[in-house]
Amino acid sequence: EIVLTQSPGTLSLSPGERATLSCRASQSVSNNYLAWYQQKLGQAPRLLIYGASSRATGIPDRFSGGGSGTDFTLTISRLEPEDFAVYYCQQHGSSPVTFGQGTKVEIK
Amino acid sequence: QLQLQESGPGLVKPSETLSLTCTVSGGSINSGAYYWGWVRQPPGEGLEWIGSVYYSGNTYYNPSLKSRVTISIDTSKNQFSLKLSSVTAADTAVYYCAKVVGALFDQWGQGKLVTVSS
Repeated sequence: EIVLTQSPGTLSLSPGERATLSCRASQSVSNNYLAWYQQKLGQAPRLLIYGASSRATGIPDRFSGGGSGTDFTLTISRLEPEDFAVYYCQQHGSSPVTFGQGTKVEIK
Repeated sequence: QLQLQESGPGLVKPSETLSLTCTVSGGSINSGAYYWGWVRQPPGEGLEWIGSVYYSGNTYYNPSLKSRVTISIDTSKNQFSLKLSSVTAADTAVYYCAKVVGALFDQWGQGKLVTVSS
């Protein structure tokens, strides 16, 4: 199975700043099928990005995804107060689908 | 608008079987466009895919849990279910049901905390 490693574990930033999250795969992700989810405390995850760079329905354009092969990034261009949460990457190109361990974006 | 809701016991004894049901409302579970899946999250930890089921009854399981997992679907009730046998404390988690599109979990239930303890 593909192991996904996210970095950093925690990102401390202020509202308005840019956030860059990393997800590295143990082997190449088929068709760059890499997704990102946001999870707020006590809530279910929400799909943000799929196929490495496509935004899900209703996701603001300050969220963008990039990368290919084994290295992927999620960028939040300007952090809004509601963006402070935990973010998970997931590869959806091969079975079993797997998730990274998460990056927490916290208020500095 | 499609909604998913998990239900079932919140406490299960070690070695017994965990059973949860997901009720889908606002849409038909009979759609061939989607799968229906289960994902779990131990307290303070990350996400783990358990398995998925198609409306036809075809199932796909995570190999790490395959020997203990059964997922079934009841289209007449618009429900699908999870059974996990021989549970231990390591199976304590929030269990989510979700609509699965192309191996993406695009709609989720609110989650059900299941604690394994005697």
